[in-house]
Amino acid sequence: QVQLVQSGAEVKKPGASVKVSCKASGYTFTGYYMHWVRQAPGQGLEWMGWINPNSGGTNYAQKFQGWVTMTRDTSISTAYMELSRLRSDDTAVYYCARVAQRFLEWYYFDYWGQGTLVTVSS
Amino acid sequence: EIVLTQSPATLSLSPGERATLSCRASQSVSSYLAWYQQKPGQAPRLLIYDASNRATGIPARFSGSGSGTDFTLTISSLEPEDFAVYYCQQRSNWLTFGQGTKLEIK
Repeated sequence: QVQLVQSGAEVKKPGASVKVSCKASGYTFTGYYMHWVRQAPGQGLEWMGWINPNSGGTNYAQKFQGWVTMTRDTSISTAYMELSRLRSDDTAVYYCARVAQRFLEWYYFDYWGQGTLVTVSS
Repeated sequence: EIVLTQSPATLSLSPGERATLSCRASQSVSSYLAWYQQKPGQAPRLLIYDASNRATGIPARFSGSGSGTDFTLTISSLEPEDFAVYYCQQRSNWLTFGQGTKLEIK
């Protein structure tokens, strides 16, 4: 069965960076684009960008360009999202989410990680 | 960026009633719209894709309709487990989510 398992909660100081991992299992990792979505406490969903696990190509939402880096390690079927220069309003649950159709970058999400809470506080 | 506006922000209904949730796009997204359900402490769950197709395992009481800029999610007869927050998402031009509709027990 498909599973996306994310790394544990993080507490960071303003200005620091955070790297969240998302380990995939139960399917061919390189066949499905992986996206990242965040959700601030009590707020809605905000799309951050995607990575093509096959090529390593990325596409980031304009808001996050220059600030987020998405990578992957195909040998361990894991995607990563690194956010730099953290501010207090980056406090959120960060999700990885797999698209529901092979080889399509812009699609819907059928499997999600459990979420990683990143807290930014001095 | 395509903005999705959901209404109402909160919907108070009783089990057994019919729920109608709306999602309006700032420009046409054709039929490239999905609906998700999110319960507290959980990741979103895909309900409907391409406006009217139920995702795998989704009960028939959930249905979606619409195209262009106006979309509706209908839950024909509410079950206790349906009370949650619902989001729409478009994939026509980049990817954006609506701000959500909270469906609460009256």
